[in-house]
Amino acid sequence: DQQVKQNSPSLSVQEGRISILNCDYTNSMFDYFLWYKKYPAEGPTFLISISSIKDKNEDGRFTVFLNKSAKHLSLHIVPSQPGDSAVYFCAASANNDMRFGAGTRLTVKP
Amino acid sequence: KAGVTQTPRYLIKTRGQQVTLSCSPISGHRSVSWYQQTPGQGLQFLFEYFSETQRNKGNFPGRFSGRQFSNSRSEMNVSTLELGDSALYLCASSLGPINREYEQYFGPGTRLTVT
Repeated sequence: DQQVKQNSPSLSVQEGRISILNCDYTNSMFDYFLWYKKYPAEGPTFLISISSIKDKNEDGRFTVFLNKSAKHLSLHIVPSQPGDSAVYFCAASANNDMRFGAGTRLTVKP
Repeated sequence: KAGVTQTPRYLIKTRGQQVTLSCSPISGHRSVSWYQQTPGQGLQFLFEYFSETQRNKGNFPGRFSGRQFSNSRSEMNVSTLELGDSALYLCASSLGPINREYEQYFGPGTRLTVT
């Protein structure tokens, strides 16, 4: 069962514009959410996280928003850069369980 | 500090064979988790080991097994391989067990192809 869903397999944006990646979850027990970035031939690397007690967390060009009532989170990248082109996975955690989405491939065009 | 290493990086096996994959965590890390990545399915959790004990297991058949040694190195074994087992197998290590306090660091993965 897909408890974490990323419904957009791919996203293409122009350099300098905003990239918005979305993620939905079904399990209300999840209380910690993360985004990972993955380049080809490399393992995923941690990008940013947010606790369920917050609705926004910002780190430089990356901001994660959490809407608990909608069980939805999003990652905003502003401004997008060509080096941001990668697959982005969202993940949700509860106690000792972690679930990942299927990933969204972001392409930032120069 | 060396990152998470996985061996081999690429593997081709035939249906019915068995395979063992290895993961060496970052020095000092005691938790190792294994994930299977397939197109469209994302990363699916296989199991987590902490201090040589399996703490959690995902929804995979018993053909998938693992273990962790006293030096925290971990192995994953898949027996009676099926075509559908073709995937990228990732391991991740962290200082402590999976929870919000401990960041997971991923290795580059082992690409397994079953023919």
